[in-house]
Amino acid sequence: KAGVTQTPRYLIKTRGQQVTLSCSPISGHRSVSWYQQTPGQGLQFLFEYFSETQRNKGNFPGRFSGRQFSNSRSEMNVSTLELGDSALYLCASSLETGLNTGELFFGEGSRLTVL
Amino acid sequence: KNEVEQSPQNLTAQEGEFITINCSYSVGISALHWLQQHPGGGIVSLFMLSSGKKKHGRLIATINIQEKHSSLHITASHPRDSAVYICAVRSWDSNYQLIWGAGTKLIIKP
Repeated sequence: KAGVTQTPRYLIKTRGQQVTLSCSPISGHRSVSWYQQTPGQGLQFLFEYFSETQRNKGNFPGRFSGRQFSNSRSEMNVSTLELGDSALYLCASSLETGLNTGELFFGEGSRLTVL
Repeated sequence: KNEVEQSPQNLTAQEGEFITINCSYSVGISALHWLQQHPGGGIVSLFMLSSGKKKHGRLIATINIQEKHSSLHITASHPRDSAVYICAVRSWDSNYQLIWGAGTKLIIKP
C-alpha cells in the first residue's frame, strides 16, 4: 500500500513569491495534517483537514493556507514568502475512527528554501 | 506551561542500556502517540495508546490515564536507536487537535 506522498520534495523560492505544496494521503485516510519543522525546533502544527473541512488551525499568519479535496489530497499554500519560512513541511495522514484516533503516517516532507 | 511535556530533553547512553523517556500531559486525551525521527529522516509512528501497554520488539510503551503520564522504554539499546522521540496527544479538550511534545534527543554510544 502506497504511503503518504508529498510533492515537491525540494524547492527554492525567493522572498515575496508564493508556493504550493501537495500531500496525497494513504488511500482511505480522510484526515490530513500539516506541520512546519525548522532546524533545532520541534514540530509546529499548521492545520488539520478532515473530509474537506479545516478542523484545527495552528498559530500561523494568514499567509499560510490550505485546503483538502474530495479525494482527500491536500495542498498548502504560503504567500509572500519570507526568509523565516525556510523549513521542512511535513504532512501526516490518519484513518479516523469514531473516537478520532488513528495511527499517524508521515510523508517525507517538502524542504523549502527561501532566498 | 506546555500541555505536553517530555523528559529528558536530551539523553546519552551506552549501548545495551535500558532507556526510559517520559511524557506528561495536562489535557484530556483520546490517544497518545509515540513517534521516532532519525537525523535527516522522516517521522515514523511507533505506538498509539489509549490505555495499558504495548510492545514491539525492544520497544515498550505504557500509559497511565489517571496520572496523565506515558513512558517509552527501549531495552538493550543500540546505536541505531539514536533518534528524536516525540510524544503527541490527541486532545478532546481542543477539538481533537494533536498536541506535540518538544521531543527527546537520544544518542546511544557503541
